[in-house]
Amino acid sequence: QSVLTQVPSASGTPGQRVSISCSGGGSNLGRNYVYWYQHLPGTAPKLLFYKDNQRPSGVPNRFSASKSGTSASLAISGLRSEDEAVYFCAAWDNSLDVWVFGGGTKLAVL
Amino acid sequence: QLQLQESGPGLVKPSETLSLTCSVFGGSIKTTNSYWAWLRQPPGKGLECIGSVHDSGDTYYNPSLKSRLSMSVDASKNQISLRLTSVTTADTAVYFCAKVDEDTLGSNWFDPWGQGILVTVSS
Repeated sequence: QSVLTQVPSASGTPGQRVSISCSGGGSNLGRNYVYWYQHLPGTAPKLLFYKDNQRPSGVPNRFSASKSGTSASLAISGLRSEDEAVYFCAAWDNSLDVWVFGGGTKLAVL
Repeated sequence: QLQLQESGPGLVKPSETLSLTCSVFGGSIKTTNSYWAWLRQPPGKGLECIGSVHDSGDTYYNPSLKSRLSMSVDASKNQISLRLTSVTTADTAVYFCAKVDEDTLGSNWFDPWGQGILVTVSS
């Protein structure tokens, strides 16, 4: 069971906007930054956002991220077929003294 | 553009030692002055950070694995290594290496990652 909670799957059609949530607690998301990654199995996970909502260069601005309290959200607008991937969140946990991760949300573009 | 690639045996017997290497391309471990991390993802489960190591020898190990774990950096070969002793089937996972990126305020995160290597523990 992952410390950060994500729904296992989500879907959307091309052009749509989808949102993926990540829920944690006071010792992780409540006190520390959240990080978002995109992962196509068999390839290297790619950093999408660092420090809650900072987008690295090269990540399209169709992707956005936010955090409030112990919940974080990743949004993708203008959905494209190449966005089909697993998206997972990560944060440091002050109580466990380890990095904790979400189980990942598999996004299907129908 | 840094690229990382994991290598090692894909099959390890129970009670034996799992040894993996992460090769860094496109940059020198010495000049990046970074920590390097190992993470793993068991089949159907979430990710776990195993630990991290700096070429100075400083390490951070996940408390749940600390007694079986060692990591090191060979800067001359631009490689990071992982050794996990006394493995069981619970250690079956895809193992990733990643650079620990850091900003001036001390926040850090994993970027980039390798593509991962599946290691199965089985007799």
